[in-house]
Amino acid sequence: EPEVTQTPSHQVTQMGQEVILRCVPISNHLYFYWYRQILGQKVEFLVSFYNNEISEKSEIFDDQFSVERPDGSNFTLKIRSTKLEDSAMYFCASSLDASYNEQFFGPGTRLTVL
Amino acid sequence: GIQVEQSPPDLILQEGANSTLRCNFSDSVNNLQWFHQNPWGQLINLFYIPSGTKQNGRLSATTVATERYSLLYISSSQTTDSGVYFCAVEAGGFKTIFGAGTRLFVKA
Repeated sequence: EPEVTQTPSHQVTQMGQEVILRCVPISNHLYFYWYRQILGQKVEFLVSFYNNEISEKSEIFDDQFSVERPDGSNFTLKIRSTKLEDSAMYFCASSLDASYNEQFFGPGTRLTVL
Repeated sequence: GIQVEQSPPDLILQEGANSTLRCNFSDSVNNLQWFHQNPWGQLINLFYIPSGTKQNGRLSATTVATERYSLLYISSSQTTDSGVYFCAVEAGGFKTIFGAGTRLFVKA
């Protein structure tokens, strides 16, 4: 069964460093998403992406964040200068189309900022 | 923006018991999903249910969109049902809002 994959599973970085989190969505899906979950808290929407453009973003998704689909399979989230409060689990998701928008989630990348 | 409230926040069940989890939302929604977050942190799709009723084994869900709520029923609970159950809604513009979740622990 097709699934969303994410790499790495765990990333440790120093405050101020740039990190890139990678995702491979389900191959025929057209809509892509990033979410984050701070330990013990709820899942928070960051950004949605369609047709090589951001469709929607939350107030969390500030200028430190960017997304890119560099090729036909990968979808990346870049954090330019990490802060301690960026430590969280980051989930990628994808869905097929707008009319049937069931989202499927990857296993997540745990980001630890020291 | 849209508010999503889940109840109860915590639930402890004896194995074999039944339960109902509730999700209320403050505005009309295009989509609604229920997820189970297992102890390893994975988000498992349970139901995609913007309206109506669906069943999958011991689980079923009902969404009454006009009254802005959804219910998740778990029957004959098992220890493997433990984890956090999230309701997530999309109100438009591909922005999905999660509730705070119901943390379920099933005792053997």
